[in-house]
Amino acid sequence: NAGVTQTPKFQVLKTGQSMTLQCAQDMNHEYMSWYRQDPGMGLRLIHYSVGAGITDQGEVPNGYNVSRSTTEDFPLRLLSAAPSRTSVYFCASSYRQVNEKLFFGSGTQLSVL
Amino acid sequence: AQSVTQLDSQVPVFEEAPVELRCNYSSSVSVYLFWYVQYPNQGLQLLLKYLSGSTLVESINGFEAEFNKSQTSFHLRKPSVHISDTAEYFCAVLNTGGFKTIFGAGTRLFVKA
Repeated sequence: NAGVTQTPKFQVLKTGQSMTLQCAQDMNHEYMSWYRQDPGMGLRLIHYSVGAGITDQGEVPNGYNVSRSTTEDFPLRLLSAAPSRTSVYFCASSYRQVNEKLFFGSGTQLSVL
Repeated sequence: AQSVTQLDSQVPVFEEAPVELRCNYSSSVSVYLFWYVQYPNQGLQLLLKYLSGSTLVESINGFEAEFNKSQTSFHLRKPSVHISDTAEYFCAVLNTGGFKTIFGAGTRLFVKA
């Protein structure tokens, strides 16, 4: 059972470039979410989804888009990268819409130059 | 909106000593409370949670936390720590019926021999 899989593990972008961070889970979880982790700030919620076709904004959604076309996948698209987007990004999922326990991926470390 | 404050950014402690990691939350509605642990270069893992019922909850590795509604706190304790407990610990809150788990800034526990 793979759990929550994130790719890539590391990425370096130049300012202005865009890219998509991939997240997939094989646990048939309804709920999926994206967080960014920055030193001294903990994890901040970017976007979340309570099921296929349904997404909503978290605490820091600006500059990011998401889509949920299937239950398994929840990609995060960075629009026009800036140095402020340098962070570690985590995808998390849970079985029910009320996310009593989140299962986290291993993270994507993104650097924007 | 809910929020979480972790009062200590770093806690150094000697092996076999007791430790308390402090967490206070703010919310206008009833909440679920969580502690997650992050070991180096890994994603977060659930350590323990309070959903309802007994206000004292325990983990399988000796940690416990007590929900105190009047003080809006959910402090994490362990009577005797091990070197292997060295990690970053995150307190998190979720409004009942909500979809956004909000994390604190984290407390880095460093256990010294």
